[in-house]
Amino acid sequence: KNQVEQSPQSLIILEGKNCTLQCNYTVSPFSNLRWYKQDTGRGPVSLTIMTFSENTKSNGRYTATLDADTKQSSLHITASQLSDSASYICVVSLNTGFQKLVFGTGTRLLVSP
Amino acid sequence: SQTIHQWPATLVQPVGSPLSLECTVEGTSNPNLYWYRQAAGRGLQLLFYSVGIGQISSEVPQNLSASRPQDRQFILSSKKLLLSDSGFYLCAWSPGTGGRGAFFGQGTRLTVV
Repeated sequence: KNQVEQSPQSLIILEGKNCTLQCNYTVSPFSNLRWYKQDTGRGPVSLTIMTFSENTKSNGRYTATLDADTKQSSLHITASQLSDSASYICVVSLNTGFQKLVFGTGTRLLVSP
Repeated sequence: SQTIHQWPATLVQPVGSPLSLECTVEGTSNPNLYWYRQAAGRGLQLLFYSVGIGQISSEVPQNLSASRPQDRQFILSSKKLLLSDSGFYLCAWSPGTGGRGAFFGQGTRLTVV
């Protein structure tokens, strides 16, 4: 069964601190993995996308890693800001003729002043 | 560049009333189109996807239907809303080929009263 699991479910950190969110997947055939940021009541916005051959991808203070062997990905947020408070969703695309997406349930991050 | 428009942003409808949510994509041709629903505190659930005009696939049985009358237009409908139809609905698109994940609209908050 194709599944994407994220941890932790929720996280509270102090402003300026770093944090790492985890994503484990059992998806086949794998095409790519995206991390999205979703503010409350808004649509998800893509942060990074990685294919099978990519190990690390950065977007400002966000750095995503991918280990295709262990089927794990992480999203590291550096020097957190209050505006980082949001849900972070890991989404894996299947390499099928139709690009089916498998969603994680997300990690709810709260950055506290 | 590609953009996706989804409306309305919020909607309050009585039980038993019809529903029509519209989504349009600009700047691309022959996209894959999706409708998702997100219940409070839950992950995104795929409702419908379409790989072309008039081609609709349903992922879960429900009180809703979808149509794609034009290449870049995707409509979510219901003849009679149920209380359980309340939720956050997201439209998304992905390239017809290339598999680079999906891009989301801003969402519609539907409350059935």
